[in-house]
Amino acid sequence: DIQMTQSPSSLSASVGDRVTITCRASQTISNYLNWYQQKPGKAPELLIYAADSLQSGVPSRFSGSGSGTDFVLIISSLQPEDFATYYCQQGSNTPRTFGQGTKVEIK
Amino acid sequence: QVQLQQWGAGLLKPSETLSLTCAVHGGTFSGSYWSWIRQSPGKGLEWIGEINQSGSTNYNPSLKSRVTLSIDTSKDQFSLKMTSVSAADTAVYYCASTEGNYYYYMHVWGKGTTVTVSS
Repeated sequence: DIQMTQSPSSLSASVGDRVTITCRASQTISNYLNWYQQKPGKAPELLIYAADSLQSGVPSRFSGSGSGTDFVLIISSLQPEDFATYYCQQGSNTPRTFGQGTKVEIK
Repeated sequence: QVQLQQWGAGLLKPSETLSLTCAVHGGTFSGSYWSWIRQSPGKGLEWIGEINQSGSTNYNPSLKSRVTLSIDTSKDQFSLKMTSVSAADTAVYYCASTEGNYYYYMHVWGKGTTVTVSS
């Protein structure tokens, strides 16, 4: 199985901050990397697919980059509605695997 | 816009069979995979498996011996069965529509079904 490791596991930030979350795959996955946002009690929602493609309807303050084994999700200016947990997921191989999540909390 | 409606029994006893169904509204089965993902209390996301319109399946090896996915295109539904459940299977179970050509991203999710296994 491909292991996905996110860092940090949690972070505290203020509204307006730039936030960076990293995801590392245990083997190369090209750009088969997707990002999700999950709020408490809700299903995850797709933010970014194919490493850097913004899902329709997702604000442009979210961006993704990376290829191979190292990927980044950036929130350029954190908004109140962005406090949530973020997960990466690889679509290169089965079993599809997720990172352990990064919880973004209010500072 | 595709929407997913899921249902199934929420309380099971150990050794029973978990059975969940997900109905697809506003879309078709073609070009997609249909996935099941679960989330144990306070934990991350675990992929269970996926099925396409033709019935081709991929399973998580850790669950494969107990899981069966099926699809009914006449009803626009797909289903999950998991046998011999235990407390470790207590989780919120999600169905999802998955892009099945290249990147396998889950772009539409059901609301989730909470399944509790307890004697």
